[in-house]
Amino acid sequence: GENVEQHPSTLSVQEGDSAVIKCTYSDSASNYFPWYKQELGKRPQLIIDIRSNVGEKKDQRIAVTLNKTAKHFSLHITETQPEDSAVYFCAALGVGAGSYQLTFGKGTKLSVIP
Amino acid sequence: DVKVTQSSRYLVKRTGEKVFLECVQDMDHENMFWYRQDPGLGLRLIYFSYDVKMKEKGDIPEGYSVSREKKERFSLILESASTNQTSMYLCASSLYGQGPSNYGYTFGSGTRLTVV
Repeated sequence: GENVEQHPSTLSVQEGDSAVIKCTYSDSASNYFPWYKQELGKRPQLIIDIRSNVGEKKDQRIAVTLNKTAKHFSLHITETQPEDSAVYFCAALGVGAGSYQLTFGKGTKLSVIP
Repeated sequence: DVKVTQSSRYLVKRTGEKVFLECVQDMDHENMFWYRQDPGLGLRLIYFSYDVKMKEKGDIPEGYSVSREKKERFSLILESASTNQTSMYLCASSLYGQGPSNYGYTFGSGTRLTVV
């Protein structure tokens, strides 16, 4: 099955700096890669995703890049703000048992220091 | 606004009790999932279902079972609760599709279960 590795597990940045979180996946057939943000005490929520036919996608201060050859994808947050502090999960979509399921990384706890 | 609703936010049960965690979605999604979330271990898939009465084991099914009698409802059952099942349990749902549609999950708010 799919295996997703996520680094770093914790990340502290100064407000206004950039943050980068990296993930690798094992199944070359995976074709959809979402990122979820989970604020303290809340549910994970989708913030951005990318499909395998696209190399980069941006949405305001966040962007995701995908390198299918190397099987890795990254989340980039620019001009970080205190409200960006949360746990971020990457995921890769695989096919198994007749359906589609996401395999998640272990998460990165991002702290933005004012 | 689409919703996945978990019946309890906090739950305290005794060792050996049979525990039911309920999840209901109103989006007519085919796929439903149960995850447990533990610090440093991320989200681990317990069971999932891609159709009514269908179920598939995830990565950590031991000690759990599930039931999906109706499309909108997916129940997680702890047959005999143990202290190592103390965790945050998250339910999620998603569309099923063969093409590039929205595979993103919608999560419930979670149930924090403590087994004493």
